[in-house]
Amino acid sequence: GQQVQQSPASLVLQEGENAELQCNFSSTATRLQWFYQHPGGRLVSLFYNPSGTKHTGRLTSTTVTNERRSSLHISSSQTTDSGTYFCAIDRSNTNKVVFGTGTRLQVLP
Amino acid sequence: GGIITQTPKFLIGQEGQKLTLKCQQNFNHDTMYWYRQDSGKGLRLIYYSITENDLQKGDLSEGYDASREKKSSFSLTVTSAQKNEMAVFLCASRTFPGLGPQDTQYFGPGTRLLVL
Repeated sequence: GQQVQQSPASLVLQEGENAELQCNFSSTATRLQWFYQHPGGRLVSLFYNPSGTKHTGRLTSTTVTNERRSSLHISSSQTTDSGTYFCAIDRSNTNKVVFGTGTRLQVLP
Repeated sequence: GGIITQTPKFLIGQEGQKLTLKCQQNFNHDTMYWYRQDSGKGLRLIYYSITENDLQKGDLSEGYDASREKKSSFSLTVTSAQKNEMAVFLCASRTFPGLGPQDTQYFGPGTRLLVL
């Protein structure tokens, strides 16, 4: 079955609003990561966050391992935050990486 | 810092043709991956290589072969291109999984494939 589920699938915000992206994963998952993909561009890593809370700039990632979920919070969104956000996990015991289907974010001026 | 390069940037092939995509990294990373991304979709793992002498199938390996020629390079072959196929193939590298707090993947710019 689906091992990594992201919600919402898409999100439209006005500049300055906050965003909360969710990632739920199966019990066989480990080593959670968040990535950002600009439209037509390369994927860049935002966080390697297997557990706990991490911050960078306006971004905060919180992973609660025993509840099998992670969130990505974007505060005071900017138009340059527009793009697609993916979470990904390593499948335990195999080192296979599984990506979620992504959240497409559009921030309007 | 390091960089991952993928060649070619664009690849146009004919139905049934064997096509090879190449990836090079200078991070000195142990692990490399090949993913396929269809338009508007997520990434699916085709092949991966945990260390230089390792090669493992991902969830989408049928129709592909891969080769880890040396630590810095990882190639992917489409064994028989399918008519009207269009996708982006992404290569990534990483330190050995779980090695430490900087355990993340670095991605190349992608190879865009179109099969006529």
